[in-house]
Amino acid sequence: NAGVTQTPKFRILKIGQSMTLQCAQDMNHNYMYWYRQDPGMGLKLIYYSVGAGITDKGEVPNGYNVSRSTTEDFPLRLELAAPSQTSVYFCASSTGGNQPQHFGDGTRLSIL
Amino acid sequence: AQSVAQPEDQVNVAEGNPLTVKCTYSVSGNPYLFWYVQYPNRGLQFLLKYITGDNLVKGSYGFEAEFNKSQTSFHLKKPSALVSDSALYFCAVPPYSGGGADGLTFGKGTHLIIQP
Repeated sequence: NAGVTQTPKFRILKIGQSMTLQCAQDMNHNYMYWYRQDPGMGLKLIYYSVGAGITDKGEVPNGYNVSRSTTEDFPLRLELAAPSQTSVYFCASSTGGNQPQHFGDGTRLSIL
Repeated sequence: AQSVAQPEDQVNVAEGNPLTVKCTYSVSGNPYLFWYVQYPNRGLQFLLKYITGDNLVKGSYGFEAEFNKSQTSFHLKKPSALVSDSALYFCAVPPYSGGGADGLTFGKGTHLIIQP
C-alpha cells in the first residue's frame, strides 16, 4: 500500500543545474498537486493536474514545469536551479476537489 | 481568494489536558475547511474536514474541530492530549469558493508541543 511515492528524498544542486522530482501514486487518483514548504510559511501550490494531459499553474509556478502523461505520474521539473528554490517539495493526490489529499514524504532540495 | 489564519506559532499543553489549536477563515459562500498534521520529516496527513452539517466534526486520532460561523473559526480540539500528538498542524481551505481542484491554501502552521 505505497500511496504517494516521491524520489529522491534528498538532493543538493548547484545553481543553474536542472533536475526532475518524481511523484507516483498507486491509488488511481485523477487529481495531483505539487507544493513547496518553506519554514514558517505553510505550503504553497506550484502546479496541479485534474487528469492525464491536463495541468495548470498554482500560486508559485515560476521556475518550474510539470507534465502528466499518465494517471500515476506527475513529475516536477526545475530547469535552471536558483537558491530561492531551496525548499521541501511535496506531491499530493486526491479523488477530487474538496476531497482529502494524500501526501508523499517530500523531497528536500538544496540549491548551492 | 479564500484564506485561513493560524494566530499561534506554538501551543504548549501538558499531557492529559485538553488542547485547542486555533484557525480562523475568510471565505465566500459555504466553506470547505480542513485540518492536516505533519510529523517530523513526513508528509501531511489528513485529520478531518468540514463541508456542511454538524458544527462539531470528528476526525482521526481522537481529534475534533468546532465550526463557528459567527466567529469565522474552525478550531481543532482534543479532550486529553498525548505526547505523541506533538507535531505541526495546518488548517486549510480551497483558494476559491466552490472549488477544490486547484489545491488548498494552507495556514502557516502551529507547532503543538505536549509536555509529559
